[in-house]
Amino acid sequence: DADVTQTPRNRITKTGKRIMLECSQTKGHDRMYWYRQDPGLGLQLIYYSFDVKDINKGEISDGYSVSRQAQAKFSLSLESAIPNQTALYFCATSDGQGALGDTQYFGPGTRLTVL
Amino acid sequence: DQQVKQNSPSLSVQEGRISILNCDYTNSMFDYFLWYKKYPAEGPTFLISISSIKDKNEDGRFTVFLNKSAKHLSLHIVPSQPGDSAVYFCAAPDTGRRALTFGSGTRLQVQP
Repeated sequence: DADVTQTPRNRITKTGKRIMLECSQTKGHDRMYWYRQDPGLGLQLIYYSFDVKDINKGEISDGYSVSRQAQAKFSLSLESAIPNQTALYFCATSDGQGALGDTQYFGPGTRLTVL
Repeated sequence: DQQVKQNSPSLSVQEGRISILNCDYTNSMFDYFLWYKKYPAEGPTFLISISSIKDKNEDGRFTVFLNKSAKHLSLHIVPSQPGDSAVYFCAAPDTGRRALTFGSGTRLQVQP
């Protein structure tokens, strides 16, 4: 079984719709992240959370919100989707401890298309 | 301002030869670097890392070299195999160790 899962894997929606992307992990990590990838660009940080009560904005948080429902669950919402939010979205986790604490483990991604 | 840069969007090498992927960074406070590999329709997977107290780290066919004075690191794959064909990202923890800063990636194609 995958350690980090994302649902849905693919989603097509229309401008103005609300959409939620979900992430679950079984790695027991406290830290979770949402990234977005556009063609020809690296991964850009949207939001991150170091524990259930800790939510922080990343470099491109406008138009997005998140919820950390439990240690294992971190969801990303687009309140009113727009076409330039069409991208690949990745969830990641890390334990933040020790020499490899910065290593992040990624889910398989969600391909989102906003028409 | 991109703090981690991969200036070669693509690289093609023959099977059995060496692949060298390059990465430059601008923030001298970065002290740890990671390489990730990404296949289509999958998330990035961790490949190898290096601390700034070292100038080389090796894991099987993969070796990462760090030149701190030049703010440059490279990933060597020897020998290259067709299964190595993927997009490779270099990354560094930001100075607050909140998250990773990624380069834009290099697509490696290993020709049989």
